[in-house]
Amino acid sequence: SQTIHQWPATLVQPVGSPLSLECTVEGTSNPNLYWYRQAAGRGLQLLFYSVGIGQISSEVPQNLSASRPQDRQFILSSKKLLLSDSGFYLCAWSPASGFQETQYFGPGTRLLVL
Amino acid sequence: SQKIEQNSEALNIQEGKTATLTCNYTNYSPAYLQWYRQDPGRGPVFLLLIRENEKEKRKERLKVTFDTTLKQSLFHITASQPADSATYLCALRNSGNTPLVFGKGTRLSVIA
Repeated sequence: SQTIHQWPATLVQPVGSPLSLECTVEGTSNPNLYWYRQAAGRGLQLLFYSVGIGQISSEVPQNLSASRPQDRQFILSSKKLLLSDSGFYLCAWSPASGFQETQYFGPGTRLLVL
Repeated sequence: SQKIEQNSEALNIQEGKTATLTCNYTNYSPAYLQWYRQDPGRGPVFLLLIRENEKEKRKERLKVTFDTTLKQSLFHITASQPADSATYLCALRNSGNTPLVFGKGTRLSVIA
């Protein structure tokens, strides 16, 4: 069966510090991968998605970036965090058949920027 | 502009009653629509998918309808229980090779 891992579970970082959140998927090959942010009281905002190694599509221009160094690894980064980067970050995957299928979400990382 | 609206931010309902949640969309032509459940501090979990050529889908106490003329989906939970309390999100994918887009969700509270 497939599982998706995210770490860390929670993170408190000062403004201006760097960020690296990691997501890995097990039990599937060539998944589509996604990063979402969910701010308090707001909906899921798609940040990045990837259909393959090294292929990243950005949905929202901001100070975040994503990379996919391996088939089942997706990393969200920032060089300098802003207060507005606080939120709940979710990684998700879907099967490789285009975007036809449902998405499976990880446990999330709660980020607080102070 | 394209919009997905779940027009109740929060819904309170008595245990045993049927909860009905609404998802409306504008300027989309979705091939299908999905519903997810999200508990506090957790990631969303897929519940049901309904395709554009289906009027209704059921799973246990859940029922989803999809009206492409009204551009609306209704999500029903019959015989609601306190354990059904959660935020419910609708999501759709436009025709073409694009990822899912999610609504903001409706927070359902089932009161015993």
